[in-house]
Amino acid sequence: EDKVVQSPLSLVVHEGDTVTLNCSYEVTNFRSLLWYKQEKKAPTFLFMLTSSGIEKKSGRLSSILDKKELFSILNITATQTGDSAVYLCAVIIQGAQKLVFGQGTRLTINP
Amino acid sequence: ETGVTQSPTHLIKTRGQQVTLRCSSQSGHNTVSWYQQALGQGPQFIFQYYREEENGRGNFPPRFSGLQFPNYSSELNVNALELDDSALYLCASSLKQGPDTQYFGPGTRLTVL
Repeated sequence: EDKVVQSPLSLVVHEGDTVTLNCSYEVTNFRSLLWYKQEKKAPTFLFMLTSSGIEKKSGRLSSILDKKELFSILNITATQTGDSAVYLCAVIIQGAQKLVFGQGTRLTINP
Repeated sequence: ETGVTQSPTHLIKTRGQQVTLRCSSQSGHNTVSWYQQALGQGPQFIFQYYREEENGRGNFPPRFSGLQFPNYSSELNVNALELDDSALYLCASSLKQGPDTQYFGPGTRLTVL
């Protein structure tokens, strides 16, 4: 069965800290990995990764994929209280367009 | 804002009732997927519609059914509601032959009493 596991499940840090969120996967036929941020309801798209070793960057957020070791990380530097959210990792399998999600990491940034 | 809209925002039903949730996809997108997100969990895939046909289904019973209309909007119907159906229902739109990114609507929070 296709599986996506995120760690940690919950993380509390102070404003200005740097955090690393982890996502590992075991799927039959990997196609791409996506990161989403969910604050209240709608998950909002952050990154899509398909190739190993190529970092995607957007402001203070960056992400990289390792297809050999089957994981991805999401880094957030100089965290702000507005970064508080649940971060979801999802994988798309070849031949199917459904997203297989991990359980999410709840990130809390304290001022 | 993704341009994906869902209605209603919140809904309260009792066990055994039926419910219909609606989704309008982003302009230009021809595929709609539905997900169920229980509290504290990641979203779980229910099914996907493309060109008005079901195009893949997750591990949900037949009392979960759907429709897609010619304008690519979609409905999710749930019959014989159970307490465990209480969840956030998310709809996501995408382009069948496009990139893998799916764009989510704000969701419908369903409470079954």
